[in-house]
Amino acid sequence: QVQLVQSGAEVKKPGSSVKVSCKASGGTFSTYAISWVRQAPGQGLEWMGGIIPIFGTTDYAQKFQGRVTITTDDSRSTAYMDLSSLTLQDTAVYYCARVALRGLIPDYFDFWGQGTLVTVSS
Amino acid sequence: DIQMTQSPSSLSASVGDRVTITCRASQSIATYLNWYQQKPGKAPKLLMSAASSLQSGVPSRFSGSGSGTDFTLTISSLQPEDFATYYCQQSYNTRLTFGGGTKVAIK
Repeated sequence: QVQLVQSGAEVKKPGSSVKVSCKASGGTFSTYAISWVRQAPGQGLEWMGGIIPIFGTTDYAQKFQGRVTITTDDSRSTAYMDLSSLTLQDTAVYYCARVALRGLIPDYFDFWGQGTLVTVSS
Repeated sequence: DIQMTQSPSSLSASVGDRVTITCRASQSIATYLNWYQQKPGKAPKLLMSAASSLQSGVPSRFSGSGSGTDFTLTISSLQPEDFATYYCQQSYNTRLTFGGGTKVAIK
């Protein structure tokens, strides 16, 4: 069974950066995409960006361009999301999710991590 | 980016009711539309892909339809475990987007 296990909760200061990890097991890591989705308290789901490990290609939501970097370490079957210049509005639960591919296009999120709460507070 | 608009944003219903949730895309997305269910404190769960393809293990009371810009998720007979928030998500292009969600609450 596929499992995605994320790193633990973080508390950060405004202006700093956070890096969240997502370790996959039980599947073939490189043949799927990995996306990061966040959810602010009481709000909906927001796609931040994703990566296709086998191609090393990334795509980011326009809102986060220049501020988010998604990478993978294929040898560790682990994906990372690095978000910089944090503000109070970045307080949210951050999820990684495995994304099935339709050819080269990310399609649906079939497995999710447990979520990582990132709190930005002065 | 493609905007996804769900309606209603919330609804109240009773066990046994038929519930319909609508999702509209800002441009045609063919049938590249997926649905998720999320319960409080949990990660979302995939219900349906390609607008109408039920995922393994999802009860048959859930159904989906639509193409182009207008889609629906229907629960034919609401069960206690169905009270949750539902999201649509388009995969027409590489920049994936979600609808704002529909919370289904107990009447």
